[in-house]
This record gives sequence, structure tokens and C-alpha cells, in this order.
Amino acid sequence: SYELTQPPSVSVSPGQTARITCSGDALPKQYAYWYQQKPGQAPVLVIYKDSERPSGIPERFSGSSSGTTVTLTISGVQAEDEADYYCQSADSSGTYLWVFGGGTKLTVL
Amino acid sequence: QLQLQESGPGLVKPSETLSLTCTVSGGSISSSSYYWGWIRQPPGKGLEWIGSIYYSGSTYYNPSLKSRVTISVDTSKNQFSLKLSSVTAADTAVYYCARGDWDYCSGGSCYSRWFDPWGQGTLVTVSS
Repeated sequence: SYELTQPPSVSVSPGQTARITCSGDALPKQYAYWYQQKPGQAPVLVIYKDSERPSGIPERFSGSSSGTTVTLTISGVQAEDEADYYCQSADSSGTYLWVFGGGTKLTVL
Repeated sequence: QLQLQESGPGLVKPSETLSLTCTVSGGSISSSSYYWGWIRQPPGKGLEWIGSIYYSGSTYYNPSLKSRVTISVDTSKNQFSLKLSSVTAADTAVYYCARGDWDYCSGGSCYSRWFDPWGQGTLVTVSS
């Protein structure tokens, strides 16, 4: 199977910058996607194709890619950004068309 | 605005078949080159892709669940469905349906896929 690895938790103070990483062997070839999930709610796409932001997503959310690691950056973190964040991509063989990372709990101190 | 809504029994007995339906509104399930997928999330855990069906009818399943999963489409009702057989307590989860989109990878050598939007999810408990 194919795995995407995320840190279990990240903590930041309001107004600071949060960075959440996701690592996977196929990421140099495959795009990554990021979803935000608040308690009791469905996931919401916040970054697609490594660094594109869907309409309606605040500009403080950005994404980047370098080799086998992609990063979700939230600048000027607000209390409402506290949530679980999941990266998603695919393997390079076409066997696992959608693969999710284990998720990162973002805590706003 | 496209919306998806899951429906089905909230309680299933062990060894039986879990059946869920996703009703799509605000767009036709067969009109564009999208995937229609199922994802689940056990309580307190992460997301797991179950499988997807392309608008043409081709199906794609997570290899770890493939032997137990069937996904189908009913275009007349604008719905797609999930069947998961021989369930155990490990299949207890919130089940989400979602639309899958795709584009070429950078360099055009492969396809890249994502889910957006998602349904609100439905909790299915496997218990006797």
C-alpha cells in the first residue's frame, strides 16, 4: 500500500504561522490536496493541485511542494482555523487513486 | 450549487451487508466527466477511500476493501450507491459520499484526483 505521512499535531498561537507537512514517495509526480475538517463536519477542500486555492477559501491558506514533501501553510492563524487537516494524493502506479494522510490536529493556543 | 446527501440504515448486524445511497442535487450525475466516491472515517480516526465510480460506469476500489465493495449508479434517480458485504465492528464509521474531480499531473504523465464537495456523512454502526 501507499502512505502519506503527517505529524499528528501542530500548535500555534493566534496570529502566528502554522505549517503542516505531508510526505510521500509519489509526491514529486502526483499533486497533493488538503482538506479541513472541523468536529462533526464533513471535510472541506482548502488547497488543490499543491498550491491552488478554491474560491471562498481565505488567502491565509497556501500550499507548496518540494520533492517528496508538501506543506500547508496558514498565515495569521485564527481561532476558527482549529481543525483536523488531511492531505490527499495518489500512488504512482494507479492502484490507489485516492490516499489520505493520517491527519494533523491544529490547535490554536 | 452541487449537494450530496447520504442515506441508509444507521445500524447493521455483523456479517450482513451495509447499503448506502447518495442523492445528488444541483447537477446531473451523468452529465460530466466526474467520479462519484465513498470515503469513511471510523470514530476518532482518519479518512479512508473506499471506492469510486466514473460517470462512464467504470469502478475503482481500494484494494484493501475490493473483495467486499460494490458501487453502482442509478442515473434515473441521480443517485449512486455503496454495498459493503460481510461487515464487522471494524466497519463502524461515518460514511461520506463525494464528487471526484480530476486533472492531468504536472507534465501530463498521469492523472490527479480529488474530492469536492462532500456530503454531510452518515454514521453506520455494526453491532448485533
